[in-house]
Amino acid sequence: DQQVKQNSPSLSVQEGRISILNCDYTNSMFDYFLWYKKYPAEGPTFLISISSIKDKNEDGRFTVFLNKSAKHLSLHIVPSQPGDSAVYFCAAVMEYGNKLVFGAGTILRVKS
Amino acid sequence: DGGITQSPKYLFRKEGQNVTLSCEQNLNHDAMYWYRQDPGQGLRLIYYSQIVNDFQKGDIAEGYSVSREKKESFPLTVTSAQKNPTAFYLCASSPQTGVGYTFGSGTRLTVV
Repeated sequence: DQQVKQNSPSLSVQEGRISILNCDYTNSMFDYFLWYKKYPAEGPTFLISISSIKDKNEDGRFTVFLNKSAKHLSLHIVPSQPGDSAVYFCAAVMEYGNKLVFGAGTILRVKS
Repeated sequence: DGGITQSPKYLFRKEGQNVTLSCEQNLNHDAMYWYRQDPGQGLRLIYYSQIVNDFQKGDIAEGYSVSREKKESFPLTVTSAQKNPTAFYLCASSPQTGVGYTFGSGTRLTVV
């Protein structure tokens, strides 16, 4: 049973445009969400996070939006750059939880 | 610089052999984790440890074993019982369970 779902295996975007990566979750006990970025043959690196008490968190070109009622979050990258091409993982954790639960990942390709 | 080191980067194993993947961290993190990445399946948790001398099974622990004799080290043994061991293995650590993971650069294991 996948508790965190990234339904789009891949996304292709033109350089300079917006990239929107989506993530859905089923467990209402999750209260903290994170996005990780991963290049081939490397470990994931933390990108941005959001607590369930917020609906938006922004860090430079990256913004994460959380819609608790819909159990949905999204990562916006504006403007997209070729170096953003990577796999993006959505992850969730419960308060005082013991482990992150990851989605399957979305491959982002930014074309120049 | 603090970090988490996985070795080796590439590992080849003959069928029927056990093999141990190394994971060392100098971040003074309490918790450590092992994940496996397969195409289209994201990151799946194998084992995790919240404190020294204690560890719990993750979602896909069958065919794997771990130890946590030191805070800095969390080696993973892939046994001959693991049916499909060829994968990319990632180790991670966090200062408290479920928050702020730091990942290693991964080990690519191939069974020949």
